[in-house]
Amino acid sequence: DIQMTQSPSVLSASVGDRVTLNCKASQNINKYLNWYQQKLGEAPKLLIYNTNNLQTGIPSRFSGSGSGTDFTLTISSLQPEDFATYFCFQHNSWPYTFGAGTKLELK
Amino acid sequence: QVKLQQSGAELVKPGASVKLSCKTSGYTFSTSYMSWFKQIPGQSIEWIGMIYAGDGGTGYNQKFKGKATLTVDTSSSTAYMDLSSLTTEDSAVYFCASGWGDYWGQGVMVTVSS
Repeated sequence: DIQMTQSPSVLSASVGDRVTLNCKASQNINKYLNWYQQKLGEAPKLLIYNTNNLQTGIPSRFSGSGSGTDFTLTISSLQPEDFATYFCFQHNSWPYTFGAGTKLELK
Repeated sequence: QVKLQQSGAELVKPGASVKLSCKTSGYTFSTSYMSWFKQIPGQSIEWIGMIYAGDGGTGYNQKFKGKATLTVDTSSSTAYMDLSSLTTEDSAVYFCASGWGDYWGQGVMVTVSS
């Protein structure tokens, strides 16, 4: 199975900050990497699909980049509603797998 | 708009089975894929498998083969997941999601307890 390693596990930041979340795959997953935001008690919400495509309705402060094994999610200017847990997900090879998540908390 | 409405919370006894439903609207279900996921609260997410509504073709995470069975009813645009021989390790929130995880249901908590 492909292992997805997210870093950091916890990120403390302030409103207005620019933050970068990382996700590393144990083998090449091409472009098949999604990013999700999950708040407590809610379903995950798709933010970015296939590395760098913004899902409909998601603010443009979210962006994704990377290829192969190394990927990033950038939030250009944190808003109060962005404090949540973020997961990366590879859908290149079965079984599809998630990272352990990055919890973005208010500093 | 796209909606996925899952059935309500379940409390089941060890060894029993449960069938979860996911009713969809707002897109063409009959030519779409549906994925299912498991999440123990406070932990990450696992991919259980997916089904193509067009022909019922399925793909499973080996970990869940024999545990989960995915089916669809295209007449009602509803997807189902049967979970069998339940143990306490199956207690979790289960989500359905369109495609490879585009739009998600609200999740259903399954608690396995005697």
